[in-house]
Amino acid sequence: KAGVTQTPRYLIKTRGQQVTLSCSPISGHRSVSWYQQTPGQGLQFLFEYFSETQRNKGNFPGRFSGRQFSNSRSEMNVSTLELGDSALYLCASSYGSRIGGSETQYFGPGTRLLVL
Amino acid sequence: EDQVTQSPEALRLQEGESSSLNCSYTVSGLRGLFWYRQDPGKGPEFLFTLYSAGEEKEKERLKATLTKKESFLHITAPKPEDSATYLCAVGGYGGATNKLIFGTGTLLAVQP
Repeated sequence: KAGVTQTPRYLIKTRGQQVTLSCSPISGHRSVSWYQQTPGQGLQFLFEYFSETQRNKGNFPGRFSGRQFSNSRSEMNVSTLELGDSALYLCASSYGSRIGGSETQYFGPGTRLLVL
Repeated sequence: EDQVTQSPEALRLQEGESSSLNCSYTVSGLRGLFWYRQDPGKGPEFLFTLYSAGEEKEKERLKATLTKKESFLHITAPKPEDSATYLCAVGGYGGATNKLIFGTGTLLAVQP
């Protein structure tokens, strides 16, 4: 089974621009979560999408948004980029159907974003 | 507030020298504890999921155990290819069970 894929793998943008990152989950997985990883803050949860609906959200400003399509593919968008948005953005997928407990999430290779 | 603390921050071992990594957590009801391995510039690779105190899982030279307050990742006779950052995470509360809260990781270096 193919793993989680993310595109693009690397991006360089300038302050004030916006960016869109894409994630394709493992086949059959309906939950997609996004995380930001930086050396200072580690891995932090951005949001989770399930069946095209945002199910959970982390403590990030409204400049960070996402969506999910009917085939479970997801995109995240960051508007008005700031220098501090430079990070590795990771997408993770799971079935999304476990009741009463957390599911194992499988991560993609990430998109490395550099904001100049 | 749920918190995950990993220790040590960094660990250097000689090849074949067994050791353990620690992950302590403070959560209001564990929903799942996860171990991942991350190589530089790559996404985390799943290792283990543990749900109940007393549970143990093994894979090659790695063994994960869980108590009510902490988890250990035991590495037996490590090899240089085991060098990586090992991350521990717990699931969020209530309806946010897929919101993983990560520790800062243990950077493991195994020297030949």
